[in-house]
Amino acid sequence: DGGITQSPKYLFRKEGQNVTLSCEQNLNHDAMYWYRQDPGQGLRLIYYSQIVNDFQKGDIAEGYSVSREKKESFPLTVTSAQKNPTAFYLCASHRGLGSNQPQHFGDGTRLSIL
Amino acid sequence: LAKTTQPISMDSYEGQEVNITCSHNNIATNDYITWYQQFPSQGPRFIIQGYKTKVTNEVASLFIPADRKSSTLSLPRVSLSDTAVYYCLVGVTTSGTYKYIFGTGTRLKVLA
Repeated sequence: DGGITQSPKYLFRKEGQNVTLSCEQNLNHDAMYWYRQDPGQGLRLIYYSQIVNDFQKGDIAEGYSVSREKKESFPLTVTSAQKNPTAFYLCASHRGLGSNQPQHFGDGTRLSIL
Repeated sequence: LAKTTQPISMDSYEGQEVNITCSHNNIATNDYITWYQQFPSQGPRFIIQGYKTKVTNEVASLFIPADRKSSTLSLPRVSLSDTAVYYCLVGVTTSGTYKYIFGTGTRLKVLA
């Protein structure tokens, strides 16, 4: 089955610690996205990547970093600079900007502070 | 400023038709309008997508006027399991930059 896999489902972060959220897709999509969702709120774009070895900041990139070394993988690191990291993180993939194909989403990672 | 707005919440009864509107005044010329459904602690799930006029699939219809500055998701005969948050997603071009913007989301509650 083709799809997007996010892991872990739940993650806890200690003060001053960096944590990395995994996102893997086997849909052969060029574009990948990370969104943050706070309780009762909509989705806000953190970072996106249209192609391997390239990525752009979204609306709330401060305190986060990403890499795109492989087409199928787009890990997100929540750094210690992100002072309010508790949220639900969603990864999505897409055939490419301007494509008429919809974005596909993973089932999310819920990050909490210890 | 590109904005994509939806009503915050709606209530409906089982068996009724529900219409949810999204306003997207800066939609890019060639971009499609996509609607998603989200249950708590899950990723958004694709419902329907369209470019203009009307699109219908097995679960919903999508109405898009000629100016494409809004769209309406229509759910026929809703059931309790349709209780969820519904989002529209459009591509917009702002200051020469193309990006996707999610709507603010509409929380639909279906009552027995």
